[in-house]
Amino acid sequence: SQTIHQWPATLVQPVGSPLSLECTVEGTSNPNLYWYRQAAGRGLQLLFYSVGIGQISSEVPQNLSASRPQDRQFILSSKKLLLSDSGFYLCASPKGGYNSPLHFGNGTRLTVT
Amino acid sequence: AQTVTQSQPEMSVQEAETVTLSCTYDTSESDYYLFWYKQPPSRQMILVIRQEAYKQQNATENRFSVNFQKAAKSFSLKISDSQLGDAAMYFCAYNYAGNQFYFGTGTSLTVIP
Repeated sequence: SQTIHQWPATLVQPVGSPLSLECTVEGTSNPNLYWYRQAAGRGLQLLFYSVGIGQISSEVPQNLSASRPQDRQFILSSKKLLLSDSGFYLCASPKGGYNSPLHFGNGTRLTVT
Repeated sequence: AQTVTQSQPEMSVQEAETVTLSCTYDTSESDYYLFWYKQPPSRQMILVIRQEAYKQQNATENRFSVNFQKAAKSFSLKISDSQLGDAAMYFCAYNYAGNQFYFGTGTSLTVIP
């Protein structure tokens, strides 16, 4: 069955520092992959999604970027973090075929100080 | 982008009673999918229920059921016989064409013993 791994679980970074969050998926091939951000007390904001290697769609212009170097690897990056980048970051992928519900990783709690 | 609106930031219910969480969405599509997710304090996202727009019958999963009104673009979640473990943040989500999933801002449900 599909498993989504995210790391690190918790991260505290100073303003202006770089960021790299990694997500890997097991148990499936060529999955659609998603990055969401959940700010404190708010809903899930879709940041990026990918339908294949090297294919990234951005939903919200910002100082974050995403890459998909391998079929089951999805990376969220930033060159210089802002205070507003603090939040809970979730990686997700449909569990099953087309139009299946999203299955989520355990998330990364990022605090920018 | 599609929009999903949850107009109730917070709700409370007495244990063993019934509560209904509201969700409306905006779309010009006729075939899409709707979901309710639960996010307990652990922040793990858990699928509660799923509804296909082409199905007129409302989905049901044990104590959870939906009232899907396609013309009104409304998708409410009813929790019967509420339990303490139902306390969580609940998110309504919309999916079209298998790629983009959009979430509402969430409703925080408190269950009063």
